[in-house]
Amino acid sequence: GAVVSQHPSWVICKSGTSVKIECRSLDFQATTMFWYRQFPKQSLMLMATSNEGSKATYEQGVEKDKFLINHASLTLSTLTVTSAHPEDSSFYICSAIGLAGAPRGSNEQYFGPGTRLTVT
Amino acid sequence: DAKTTQPPSMDCAEGRAANLPCNHSTISGNEYVYWYRQIHSQGPQYIIHGLKNNETNEMASLIITEDRKSSTLILPHATLRDTAVYYCIVRVRSGGSNYKLTFGKGTLLTVNP
Repeated sequence: GAVVSQHPSWVICKSGTSVKIECRSLDFQATTMFWYRQFPKQSLMLMATSNEGSKATYEQGVEKDKFLINHASLTLSTLTVTSAHPEDSSFYICSAIGLAGAPRGSNEQYFGPGTRLTVT
Repeated sequence: DAKTTQPPSMDCAEGRAANLPCNHSTISGNEYVYWYRQIHSQGPQYIIHGLKNNETNEMASLIITEDRKSSTLILPHATLRDTAVYYCIVRVRSGGSNYKLTFGKGTLLTVNP
């Protein structure tokens, strides 16, 4: 079974609105979560590293004011796409670095199933 | 960060072994080789990883050359459900205990009936 969940699995929103995507680690704690974006026929691109209790670290070229990341607990990180536009339509994937108790042990990365965002 | 090179695509007949190569000639001594796969419209799925010894689990085998500059992922009996993009990744460290994975383009493996 999945050890990292994402909600929603897909979402359609209108241009200019904001969308929040949740990433949860199930049955294990994660001090660090990663957010990736994947456009059609392309590979995963890391957007940001989310650390529990501190500010996220964004990759070069990713607007931190547009993609708000909150990692409020050891099992939950959220990505909010603010003022979404059609070019933000993509597949968003999170992953979590497990602490002790995770299925493959600590310091291993577990991926969520992804969230398909479509902005109309 | 060590980079990897993989063929863009491969075909395999159902029931036969699929051998996916990966070159990582600039790998550092403390870097592991990881393999993930991504079935269409799903998140990446962990397959296997290794440092220098060959590894086997219920999904696949990983063969790493003695100089660690290349590796091969082996799916012993490929099925149609193994059709996916396979990523070979060398794990990098991104400050402290954080391990960032950098995905290349991977190999699209198509298993044919």
